[in-house]
Amino acid sequence: EAGVTQSPTHLIKTRGQQATLRCSPISGHTSVYWYQQALGLGLQFLLWYDEGEERNRGNFPPRFSGRQFPNYSSELNVNALELEDSALYLCASSFGQGGETQYFGPGTRLLVL
Amino acid sequence: QKEVEQDPGPLSVPEGAIVSLNCTYSNSAFQYFMWYRQYSRKGPELLMYTYSSGNKEDGRFTAQVDKSSKYISLFIRDSQPSDSATYLCAMSVGTYKYIFGTGTRLKVLA
Repeated sequence: EAGVTQSPTHLIKTRGQQATLRCSPISGHTSVYWYQQALGLGLQFLLWYDEGEERNRGNFPPRFSGRQFPNYSSELNVNALELEDSALYLCASSFGQGGETQYFGPGTRLLVL
Repeated sequence: QKEVEQDPGPLSVPEGAIVSLNCTYSNSAFQYFMWYRQYSRKGPELLMYTYSSGNKEDGRFTAQVDKSSKYISLFIRDSQPSDSATYLCAMSVGTYKYIFGTGTRLKVLA
């Protein structure tokens, strides 16, 4: 069974640009979660999508947004990039919302210059 | 005060040692407790998942939850160099918003 996949693996942008990160969940999983892992910090919850809807978001500004497609894959968009957005962005998926464990992808490493 | 506190380490142990990794938390509403292992430049890999208090064993790994003390532990028996990684505790009230510790770096010396 294929795990969670993310693309690209690495992304280099300059300040002010926009970044788009993609995630494909495990087959059968309907929930997708996005986390930011900045150097020296733990994983910070960004967004949760389930059945195409944004269900919850963490304490991040509105320039962090995303969407979930009918096939349950998801996209994270970061607008007006700032230097401190440099981090590993991790996507996780789970089967529904009922106490199911989240399984993580390998992440996209974003570097903002 | 952070909701979840975890000693960042690094923790160095000889091969074969018993390793104890710990997290404390402040939110008594947490019900789900997880341990993830993260190798350098990789995504976290789920090791253990427990609901409420008690112990859970899986091979060389034992997870322990003490809700009265707001304390969780992961024990690794017969540690191997391949166990060298960062270990992240995570917990949640419901099922979607995981709160992670900052991770403990473990190095098992051959």
